[in-house]
Amino acid sequence: ETGVTQSPTHLIKTRGQQVTLRCSSQSGHNTVSWYQQALGQGPQFIFQYYREEENGRGNFPPRFSGLQFPNYSSELNVNALELDDSALYLCASSADRYNEQFFGPGTRLTVL
Amino acid sequence: AQRVTQPEKLLSVFKGAPVELKCNYSYSGSPELFWYVQYSRQRLQLLLRHISRESIKGFTADLNKGETSFHLKKPFAQEEDSAMYYCALSGTGGFKTIFGAGTRLFVKA
Repeated sequence: ETGVTQSPTHLIKTRGQQVTLRCSSQSGHNTVSWYQQALGQGPQFIFQYYREEENGRGNFPPRFSGLQFPNYSSELNVNALELDDSALYLCASSADRYNEQFFGPGTRLTVL
Repeated sequence: AQRVTQPEKLLSVFKGAPVELKCNYSYSGSPELFWYVQYSRQRLQLLLRHISRESIKGFTADLNKGETSFHLKKPFAQEEDSAMYYCALSGTGGFKTIFGAGTRLFVKA
């Protein structure tokens, strides 16, 4: 059984650019949630995808968007990057919307 | 407002001493409460959830609705318990998990 993987591991972008982060869910899981974790803070919920549909969203602006594919892998897209977007981005997959979440290692995004 | 508060950023105890990591929450409704742990160089992982009423690695947590608390306890801390601990809640609908800022536990030999 393969765990949750994320790519890339690290990424450096400049303000105003766009970025796409990727997440492969654990085998058999149909739900992916994305979190932003700023330094010294706990993860903050961005949104969740369940069977390719957005299933809920946290307090993030529309420039944060996502997709889930038929194989249940997922992408997080951030447009018009701001300095405050610098953070660790975590994805977590689960067997269903309310089941235990399994986290990936994260992507560290730095915006200069 | 939905919120999880962990008042201690750092907790340092000696091996064999009892440990209690505090967690208070604010939520209008019936939340589900969790403790997550992140060991050094490892991923964030679920430690326990209140509905399971399990003891995991010697840790227990009781949901106190009157005090809106979900403190994590262990009677005898071990060095391998040193990690970052996050309290979290999930509300009605279950999809959104709210995390506290975390408490770093350091168990000294």
